[in-house]
Amino acid sequence: GQQVMQIPQYQHVQEGEDFTTYCNSSTTLSNIQWYKQRPGGHPVFLIQLVKSGEVKKQKRLTFQFGEAKKNSSLHITATQTTDVGTYFCAGPRGGAQKLVFGQGTRLTINP
Amino acid sequence: DTGVSQDPRHKITKRGQNVTFRCDPISEHNRLYWYRQTLGQGPEFLTYFQNEAQLEKSRLLSDRFSAERPKGSFSTLEIQRTEQGDSAMYLCASSAGTPIAAQYNEQFFGPGTRLTVL
Repeated sequence: GQQVMQIPQYQHVQEGEDFTTYCNSSTTLSNIQWYKQRPGGHPVFLIQLVKSGEVKKQKRLTFQFGEAKKNSSLHITATQTTDVGTYFCAGPRGGAQKLVFGQGTRLTINP
Repeated sequence: DTGVSQDPRHKITKRGQNVTFRCDPISEHNRLYWYRQTLGQGPEFLTYFQNEAQLEKSRLLSDRFSAERPKGSFSTLEIQRTEQGDSAMYLCASSAGTPIAAQYNEQFFGPGTRLTVL
């Protein structure tokens, strides 16, 4: 079945450094969503990418959707302690509305 | 608060007991999803409702699991004869839905119910 893989699994950075997480799907996706889960919290929607090659920015966060619509990335510039958490990518599976989540990248930051 | 709510937030039970969780979605959302999340993993899809109709069930959902959404509003997830492997966070999410297939509405997650089976 469809699989969504994320790397790295963990990333520890100094505050102010950049951070990138990569997401790869075994199948072409109609769209990809990114969620953030703070420690002890629940996933919170960040963004959805739909078009091939799409790039979207939210302040210090830049999201990209690959040309083949099988991979995506999230880049955070100049991390802050508020960025701590686990970042998940998720893609819809088949014609159903369910999401297949990657295993997430856990970001920790040294202030 | 108009977000997704779940009850209880924590449940500790003994192996073999039945448990039931409740989810109240955002009121205007017609789609409701249940996911299970274990430590260090992303949420795994369990089942999905469009209004009161249960449209899909994961193979993860054994016959000990049943979910309902009787009036298309709140939903319940019941686990019968719990096993230690059922210990996890059970997340409910809702979305508004759209007839346009490519426009996939974001899912709003509730705080989850953490189940511990002893």
